[in-house]
Amino acid sequence: GIQVEQSPPDLILQEGANSTLRCNFSDSVNNLQWFHQNPWGQLINLFYIPSGTKQNGRLSATTVATERYSLLYISSSQTTDSGVYFCAVERGDYKLSFGAGTTVTVRA
Amino acid sequence: GAGVSQSPSNKVTEKGKDVELRCDPISGHTALYWYRQSLGQGLEFLIYFQGNSAPDKSGLPSDRFSAERTGGSVSTLTIQRTQQEDSAVYFCASTPRAAYNEQFFGPGTRLTVL
Repeated sequence: GIQVEQSPPDLILQEGANSTLRCNFSDSVNNLQWFHQNPWGQLINLFYIPSGTKQNGRLSATTVATERYSLLYISSSQTTDSGVYFCAVERGDYKLSFGAGTTVTVRA
Repeated sequence: GAGVSQSPSNKVTEKGKDVELRCDPISGHTALYWYRQSLGQGLEFLIYFQGNSAPDKSGLPSDRFSAERTGGSVSTLTIQRTQQEDSAVYFCASTPRAAYNEQFFGPGTRLTVL
């Protein structure tokens, strides 16, 4: 099956800092989603981004499908950004394959 | 509108008992998925329903796991003779139609098998 690798595994930020999370995948994909899993376990959709660039407030994402990677940018981080960020991809069979996640801790 | 809902939110059971987990997808969504997340891991696919088509059960880990979807809406995931390794958070997701791929997840059911 398709392999999804996320880096770094852990990230500690001071409030107000910027950061970049990376997702590499091993094959072409139809779908790529970024999720934020908050400390209560809820999965929040951030971006549906199989290609191109999108922005939503302080978050933005870029997927370069031909080079099989996606980046999630967090700017001016806040304590509420803490949690685990997952990248998930799908190859046309509707089954999302998830990476292991990046655990982000934002300190006040 | 209302999102995907799941019940119960938490379930504690004894090894060997059967459990049923319920999912109500977003109204009008035709595709429904079950995933599970073991402690500290990403989610893994279990089963996929699309309309009246036969479900894709390729992710079910053993024949103790089964799922059904009644009337094209509510789904129930059943685990028979639960084992300690079944302890995980079970998530349900839905999409508006087969060709629209963004999946929307419910809050999950945390299953603990003692």
